[in-house]
Amino acid sequence: GQSLEQPSEVTAVEGAIVQINCTYQTSGFYGLSWYQQHDGGAPTFLSYNALDGLEETGRFSSFLSRSDSYGYLLLQELQMKDSASYFCAPAGSARQLTFGSGTQLTVLP
Amino acid sequence: EAGVTQFPSHSVIEKGQTVTLRCDPISGHDNLYWYRRVMGKEIKFLLHFVKESKQDESGMPNNRFLAERTGGTYSTLKVQPAELEDSGVYFCASSPKGAGTGVYEQYFGPGTRLTVT
Repeated sequence: GQSLEQPSEVTAVEGAIVQINCTYQTSGFYGLSWYQQHDGGAPTFLSYNALDGLEETGRFSSFLSRSDSYGYLLLQELQMKDSASYFCAPAGSARQLTFGSGTQLTVLP
Repeated sequence: EAGVTQFPSHSVIEKGQTVTLRCDPISGHDNLYWYRRVMGKEIKFLLHFVKESKQDESGMPNNRFLAERTGGTYSTLKVQPAELEDSGVYFCASSPKGAGTGVYEQYFGPGTRLTVT
C-alpha cells in the first residue's frame, strides 16, 4: 500500500530555520516534490528531488534519501509569509502526485 | 506568462444535476492533471492527460466523472449526475512535456469549489 507521514504542525519564529520531515511508501516512486499551500488555495511548487541529496532553491532546500524512503524540506530565514501548509508529494511513474495531510507551519513574530 | 486558470471558481448544484468544470493550462504545457480535495481529506489525483490523450485515469472515482481535452488545449471535467460526496475543491495542474525533471513541477490552478446540496 501507500503511506505518507509528515508532522501535522510546526511552529517557529521569524528568522529561524525549520525542517519538515517526510517518510513515504509508494509504488512506482520517481521522486519527491514539495508544495506550499496558503489557506486552501492553489498548491505552489517548491522543489523536486529526483536523486539522493540536497537541492537548494533560495531560502528553501530539500533532501532525499531513496534508500530510507525519507526526505525533508528545510526553510531558512523564516518570514511571516511562510506560514502555510507544506506537502511532500511523491511522484509516480505516470507523473501523478500523492499528497498527504501536510504540515501546517506557523511562523511567529 | 498566464498561469493555470479554472472556471468557475465556485459552483453550487443540487444532487442529480450536471456540472462541467473547465481548466485552461499554461500555454504549451502538454501535461494536464486533475486533482480533488474532498472535505477533510487529502488532495487526490484523478487523471492525467498528455495532449489530448488520457495517460492515466486510475484516480477517477466512478463513471459519473468524464474528462476530456479536445485538441490538447483546455480540459473539461463533467460530473453527471452529481452526488453529495462529490463536494470538494477540484484542482487542475499542468506541466511541460519532456523527459526531464521539469515535468514533475506541476503548476496548479486556483481550483473550483463544488458544493452539491
